[in-house]
Amino acid sequence: EVQLVESGGVVVQPGGSLRLSCAASGFTFDDYTMHWVRQAPGKGLEWVSLISWDGGSTYYADSVKGRFTISRDNSKNSLYLQMNSLRTEDTALYYCAKGVGDGYNLDYWGQGTLVTVSS
Amino acid sequence: SYVLTQPPSVSVAPGQTARITCGGNNIGSKSVHWYQQKPGQAPVLVVYDDSDRPSGIPERFSGSNSGNTATLTISRVEAGDEADYYCQVWDSSSDHPGVVFGGGTKLTVL
Repeated sequence: EVQLVESGGVVVQPGGSLRLSCAASGFTFDDYTMHWVRQAPGKGLEWVSLISWDGGSTYYADSVKGRFTISRDNSKNSLYLQMNSLRTEDTALYYCAKGVGDGYNLDYWGQGTLVTVSS
Repeated sequence: SYVLTQPPSVSVAPGQTARITCGGNNIGSKSVHWYQQKPGQAPVLVVYDDSDRPSGIPERFSGSNSGNTATLTISRVEAGDEADYYCQVWDSSSDHPGVVFGGGTKLTVL
């Protein structure tokens, strides 16, 4: 059974930093592209970033480019999101998701971890 | 950047057919994926590559894509289908390629 478990979400002040983690199990982690997607309270889905199976390619939404860094450790079956210079508009539930096919559709999602940016 | 436009809401009676549209410039040239999200839950992929269904998704869910509009069709709608639905594509056409989601459509079963 595929499982994705996010962690690391907390309350942080504007300008602060945070690192999210996603522990994957139930599939061959290093075969798949992985994504981070967020959802602000009461709002729709917003894609944040993706990383290829080997970490060689990464892409970011314009809203986070230059502030967030996606990475993975295939030896630990783990995905990460380093979040710097946080803004109040980064407040959201952050989902880790597994890519499938060409990597650009998301067939399994975690339950999310909540990041709140507030003073 | 590429924009996907969905109606904010669609209402349908039980047993009827719901159609949720997703508009985008020449979206017919892209692969469209659809997600269902129920309150308090993570999204679930219900249709991928325009019209394919993941295992475990009922045949009542189908998709089509042509021209500037993709459509998710839910036949014989049930109360349990009430949820938010999102379309999604990969936009490789801009200087900053990325995943794009539509704004979401709330399906209400009357």
